[in-house]
Amino acid sequence: RKEVEQDPGPFNVPEGATVAFNCTYSNSASQSFFWYRQDCRKEPKLLMSVYSSGNEDGRFTAQLNRASQYISLLIRDSKLSDSATYLCVVNQNTGGFKTIFGAGTRLFVKA
Amino acid sequence: NAGVTQTPKFQVLKTGQSMTLQCAQDMNHNSMYWYRQDPGMGLRLIYYSASEGTTDKGEVPNGYNVSRLNKREFSLRLESAAPSQTSVYFCASSETRNEQYFGPGTRLTVT
Repeated sequence: RKEVEQDPGPFNVPEGATVAFNCTYSNSASQSFFWYRQDCRKEPKLLMSVYSSGNEDGRFTAQLNRASQYISLLIRDSKLSDSATYLCVVNQNTGGFKTIFGAGTRLFVKA
Repeated sequence: NAGVTQTPKFQVLKTGQSMTLQCAQDMNHNSMYWYRQDPGMGLRLIYYSASEGTTDKGEVPNGYNVSRLNKREFSLRLESAAPSQTSVYFCASSETRNEQYFGPGTRLTVT
């Protein structure tokens, strides 16, 4: 089992749609959680951190469920510019600090 | 403020050739990282350096060496390239264990 698993995708949605990405992690001692965005043939960039209480940044909402070891990202009112790959990232500190990236979920937003 | 820079952007090597990938950051970050990204897989950590003068192995260090030349620069060397090392290589830096800032990547093909 992969340490961080994401929906396989790709997701194809029309502009204006709401889309949700899910991510599960296997190590219950994981400490911090993030969503990164990666455009085609570009480097990953931090989209938002994920807090236990849930957090929102404009059209983006991230949630964490520690009991189920599950992270989600909700994008409301999708724009063409949201088309990208979304990476779930988990930091662990068991036997040494480690950052683990999910394989990513590709999103295509169409007009 | 250039952030994280990497050279070269593209490289083609023959099996057995050697090369060094260069990375520099101007954000005065203590920690620097080398990742590889392959299709269908998350970024995998090759080596990291928590501070100037220290380096540690990541998940996939075999076939690579690194040098933390000073606080700004962290290089990755392939001593004898193999086709399995065909990948996109990203350098990153961070101050805290939260946001990592990535360079634009090096696309390496080994024939």
